[in-house]
Amino acid sequence: EPEVTQTPSHQVTQMGQEVILRCVPISNHLYFYWYRQILGQKVEFLVSFYNNEISEKSEIFDDQFSVERPDGSNFTLKIRSTKLEDSAMYFCASSEVRVNYGYTFGSGTRLTVV
Amino acid sequence: GDSVTQMEGPVTLSEEAFLTINCTYTATGYPSLFWYVQYPGEGLQLLLKATKADDKGSNKGFEATYRKETTSFHLEKGSVQVSDSAVYFCASFSGGYNKLIFGAGTRLAVHP
Repeated sequence: EPEVTQTPSHQVTQMGQEVILRCVPISNHLYFYWYRQILGQKVEFLVSFYNNEISEKSEIFDDQFSVERPDGSNFTLKIRSTKLEDSAMYFCASSEVRVNYGYTFGSGTRLTVV
Repeated sequence: GDSVTQMEGPVTLSEEAFLTINCTYTATGYPSLFWYVQYPGEGLQLLLKATKADDKGSNKGFEATYRKETTSFHLEKGSVQVSDSAVYFCASFSGGYNKLIFGAGTRLAVHP
């Protein structure tokens, strides 16, 4: 079964450093998403991406965050200057069409900011 | 805005007990509804879904019925196993926003 692949599985970074989280969505999918889950809390929407541009973003997704699809297969989330409160599990997801079949999620990247 | 409310956990059951995890939603229109499961140390897996009123989603012995009149999508399983121990998330998808909205999650612990 096709999978969404995320790397790395765990990243530790110092406060103020930039991090890039990587995702390889399912190849024929057109919509891409990032969600995050602070330990023990709700899964929160960050951003959706379609046709090489952001289609929607949440209030969490401020100027410190950016997304990119640099090469037609990868989908990246960059955090420009990490804060302690950015520590969370970050999930990438993709979907074939903008309808209601549900997404396929990756297994997540655990980001720890120290 | 749209929201999803789940019963608080943890839910602790003995093996072979009956499981219900309540989920209600608020939305404009009729969203699609989902249950996702997160096993320890893993990502989110789609467990089942329903896209319109009265639809019943089912998978791995779990079921949930989309009830428009009560705006609910409760998860049930007749006989739980230890391997069902996980966190269960109810979610709604409103096409107008193109995003999944998750409930807070309910942790299920099943003991032998």
